[in-house]
Amino acid sequence: AQKITQTQPGMFVQEKEAVTLDCTYDTSDQSYGLFWYKQPSSGEMIFLIYQGSYDEQNATEGRYSLNFQKARKSANLVISASQLGDSAMYFCAMREFNFGNEKLTFGTGTRLTIIP
Amino acid sequence: DAGVTQSPTHLIKTRGQHVTLRCSPISGHKSVSWYQQVLGQGPQFIFQYYEKEERGRGNFPDRFSARQFPNYSSELNVNALLLGDSALYLCASIGYQDGTNYGYTFGSGTRLTVV
Repeated sequence: AQKITQTQPGMFVQEKEAVTLDCTYDTSDQSYGLFWYKQPSSGEMIFLIYQGSYDEQNATEGRYSLNFQKARKSANLVISASQLGDSAMYFCAMREFNFGNEKLTFGTGTRLTIIP
Repeated sequence: DAGVTQSPTHLIKTRGQHVTLRCSPISGHKSVSWYQQVLGQGPQFIFQYYEKEERGRGNFPDRFSARQFPNYSSELNVNALLLGDSALYLCASIGYQDGTNYGYTFGSGTRLTVV
């Protein structure tokens, strides 16, 4: 069964520093995708970045980049120059495809707190 | 363009009651998925619907059911509510021809409290 592991329940980072949030995954599928979402206290899941399993280059979206190491089955999120507004829960999720069916499997999340 | 609309935003129910949650996907999206997020955990997959057919079901009891209507909106129904059903219920609108967010856009969720 597919599984996502996020080993950092909480992190405190100084404003303007870079931060890496860890995510490892387990799957036997060849085709899959990896999302990172930000969830503020309001509850909405905000899309940050996506990496397909066949993408050869690491994904980047503004201040967000994904360090994808396929052999190690890791997909760490890097946030450069952190801001106070980055304080939130962050979830890694794996997208599984199966003949038109699909679902996301989420990790337990990391609570990121940015310190002024 | 309207995003994913979920209603109600909050509700409180008593144990044993029934609840219906609603989701309107992004215009043009034909698939929706439902997720349950218990406090302190990541979301768990409940159902996926595509073109009004159930395409996937997570590990949830038969008290949970859903359907999708011809306009692609969806309802999630939960019968015989338990305290453990208290959670944030998220709906995802999935657009296979829509590259935005790589096809997945979530609504703001419905916070259900069972007392």
